[in-house]
Amino acid sequence: AQSVAQPEDQVNVAEGNPLTVKCTYSVSGNPYLFWYVQYPNRGLQFLLKYITGDNLVKGSYGFEAEFNKSQTSFHLKKPSALVSDSALYFCAVRDISPAGANNLFFGTGTRLTVIP
Amino acid sequence: NAGVTQTPKFRILKIGQSMTLQCTQDMNHNYMYWYRQDPGMGLKLIYYSVGAGITDKGEVPNGYNVSRSTTEDFPLRLELAAPSQTSVYFCASRGLAIETQYFGPGTRLLVL
Repeated sequence: AQSVAQPEDQVNVAEGNPLTVKCTYSVSGNPYLFWYVQYPNRGLQFLLKYITGDNLVKGSYGFEAEFNKSQTSFHLKKPSALVSDSALYFCAVRDISPAGANNLFFGTGTRLTVIP
Repeated sequence: NAGVTQTPKFRILKIGQSMTLQCTQDMNHNYMYWYRQDPGMGLKLIYYSVGAGITDKGEVPNGYNVSRSTTEDFPLRLELAAPSQTSVYFCASRGLAIETQYFGPGTRLLVL
């Protein structure tokens, strides 16, 4: 079965410092991986995805993620954190069952707080 | 495009009452989804649809029903509300050849 784990419930980082939000996955076959962000009282917004190709994926708002097949990880990164990056971040993997539905299986989320 | 819209934004129900959560998308997407979000639990898939007239159960379908009579609309029905259904509900959609799901703003439901 597909699964995704976000080992940290909370990540705190000082403004201007680099940030990393961790995600590991377990899939059968090639993984389709996603990052979404949720601001307070808002729906989820798509940040970036890995389907195939370069292991370093660039997305919205200066975020990027590195796909590491040997470590089964897809960590979200940003070189310099902004206070406005404070939000809830979800990693997701495409579920292979049932075939054709292409549902997403979400992690439990990581709350990022950027400290001024 | 308005994207994915959901109504209402917030609702309080009494135990045993019923209601319909509305979801509409104007992107002509084939796939539509209903999720519930509980604190610390991420999002759980309730029902999904791969096109008009076709729906199927997700991970947590008990206590809910859906229909998909048009491409645009995918309402979620709660027949006998229970406190366990207190949650935030999100609708999402995606196109046939697009992997990315687009989410609505959510409906916050409180069952007392």
